[in-house]
Amino acid sequence: QITLKESGPTLVKPTQTLTLTCTFSGFSLSANGMGVGWIRQPPGKALEWLALIFWDGDKRYSPSLQSRLTITKDTSKNQVVLTMINMDPVDTATYYCAHRPPTGTFFDFWGQGTLVTVSS
Amino acid sequence: DIQMTQSPSSLSASVGDRVTITCRASQGISNYLAWYQQKPGRAPKFLIYAASTLQSGVPSRFSGSGSGTDFTLTISNVQPEDFSVYYCQQYYSAPYTFGQGTKLEIK
Repeated sequence: QITLKESGPTLVKPTQTLTLTCTFSGFSLSANGMGVGWIRQPPGKALEWLALIFWDGDKRYSPSLQSRLTITKDTSKNQVVLTMINMDPVDTATYYCAHRPPTGTFFDFWGQGTLVTVSS
Repeated sequence: DIQMTQSPSSLSASVGDRVTITCRASQGISNYLAWYQQKPGRAPKFLIYAASTLQSGVPSRFSGSGSGTDFTLTISNVQPEDFSVYYCQQYYSAPYTFGQGTKLEIK
């Protein structure tokens, strides 16, 4: 059974850096075709894809946020880390990590999400 | 970027109705389309991939169709647990964009 869980701060100040960790189980991120992505959702708004890391270390980022995002993986710890610099109140959202199966870049298993509020 | 536009933004239905949600891509995406269901305060639930393939465990009253730029999600015989927000997502190319969502409400 695949499970994912996000962890990190619930409150960050403007201009600070956000670091979120996705800890997963039930699959290996070193297995061919696997990936883990990050998606966020501002309160009352739609889903927005942020970043994806593949089993082979390849990475993809949302072009609108690429300059602020870094995604990394630690296969031995079953963790994926997303870093977002220069946080702003508009970045207030629930942040989800999700599993990408070998069959395509959709997300078949999701974490519960973590609400991050950006406020001074 | 490929833009995904869903219609309608919201719709009302009664239990037992058949409803259809449309998703349009700004350029052709073949059948690289997924659908999700989201209930308030919950993570999205994956329903369909490759435009029409149901994820294991998803009730057969859900169906998807389409290819190219135009796609539909149909729920036949709507059940009380189906009242949610539905999102489409293209995975033809990065960035992997979502539609703005369609809220299915009880009439």
